[in-house]
Amino acid sequence: QKEVEQNSGPLSVPEGAIASLNCTYSDRGSQSFFWYRQYSGKSPELIMFIYSNGDKEDGRFTAQLNKASQYVSLLIRDSQPSDSATYLCAFYGGSQGNLIFGKGTKLSVKP
Amino acid sequence: DGGITQSPKYLFRKEGQNVTLSCEQNLNHDAMYWYRQDPGQGLRLIYYSQIVNDFQKGDIAEGYSVSREKKESFPLTVTSAQKNPTAFYLCASSRTVEKLFFGSGTQLSVL
Repeated sequence: QKEVEQNSGPLSVPEGAIASLNCTYSDRGSQSFFWYRQYSGKSPELIMFIYSNGDKEDGRFTAQLNKASQYVSLLIRDSQPSDSATYLCAFYGGSQGNLIFGKGTKLSVKP
Repeated sequence: DGGITQSPKYLFRKEGQNVTLSCEQNLNHDAMYWYRQDPGQGLRLIYYSQIVNDFQKGDIAEGYSVSREKKESFPLTVTSAQKNPTAFYLCASSRTVEKLFFGSGTQLSVL
């Protein structure tokens, strides 16, 4: 059974701090990893994807991938209250239509 | 504007009743998906379709049915065989199998 593990939180950080969200996955063959942001009552929105070991930066977001440890993380610098949401980690399971999602980590950024 | 439209936003089902959730996209994407999300849970795949007139079961297809008669449309029927239908239902589409764009969702509840 292919799985994604995330700490459900809530993770609370003060405004301006760095928020660190973590995810582990079970499938060593996975090549593609994704972070989706979901506001309460809304649909998920893709914010980052990463395919290679190392870091990928996009604005205030940095995705980090370590395939040897089967670990992917998302760092949010200069956190804002508008970043308060649930962040879903996902990886591509390798078969058609098989994007495997974690249960999500709820982030709260306090002003 | 291109996007994915789900309707209705809220839907109520009586016991023994079949209900149909609508999903329409004008992004010209070949692939479409239906996910179910329960509170505090990740997304679980119900059905997906890569091309018109073809679709495959996901992880939790029992009690659901779909059709794909047009590229733009992928309706989901929740049948009376689905004994626990209360959930948030999300339709998605993609050009590549990995990067999903989601509709705004339908909240289904049982009367």
